[in-house]
Amino acid sequence: QLQLQESGPGLVKPSETLSLTCSVSGDSLRGSPYPWGWIRQSPGRGLEWIATIFYTGKTYYNPSLKSRVTISLDASRNQLSLRLTSVTAADTAFYYCARLRDGVQIWTKWGQGTLVTVSS
Amino acid sequence: DIQMTQSPSTLSASVGDRVTITCRASQTINDWLAWYQQKPGTAPRLLIYKASTLESGVPSRFSGSGSGTEFSLTISSLQPDDFATYYCQQYILYSTFGQGTKVDIK
Repeated sequence: QLQLQESGPGLVKPSETLSLTCSVSGDSLRGSPYPWGWIRQSPGRGLEWIATIFYTGKTYYNPSLKSRVTISLDASRNQLSLRLTSVTAADTAFYYCARLRDGVQIWTKWGQGTLVTVSS
Repeated sequence: DIQMTQSPSTLSASVGDRVTITCRASQTINDWLAWYQQKPGTAPRLLIYKASTLESGVPSRFSGSGSGTEFSLTISSLQPDDFATYYCQQYILYSTFGQGTKVDIK
């Protein structure tokens, strides 16, 4: 059964870089036909798509975050990663990783999410 | 950007009620629309995609309709497990979610 587990620091200082990892079990990222991605949720911004990646390496980013975001995939570790630079309080949110349906941005299987707070 | 607007923001209902939530897109999205259910402390769960296709395992009391810019999610007979927040999402151009509709107990 597919499971996704996000991990990372719960607290990040303003202007620093937020780094999160999503460990995948029950499916292999290597050669996966499915896209994988990150979404965040906060009271002020609601659900916000961050980025999507295919095993081929093709990536898609939310235009509003593109300059600060990097999504990557490590097939050898079966992990998905997210980096968000120059964070501010507005980046405080629950961050979810998820698997998408083949070819379309339908979010079919989500991790439990991890809360990241940006504060000094 | 495609904006998604849901109404109402909160809906109070009783078990057994028929409930309808509306979602409007700022431009046409054909039928590239999904609905999700989220309960407190958990991640969203996919209910419906392509505006009206039920995801596997989702009870048949849930249904979706619409195309273009106007969509709706209907729960034919509200059950205790259905009290939650519901989100629409367009996926014709990346992903954008509505602000959510909370269904609570009247």
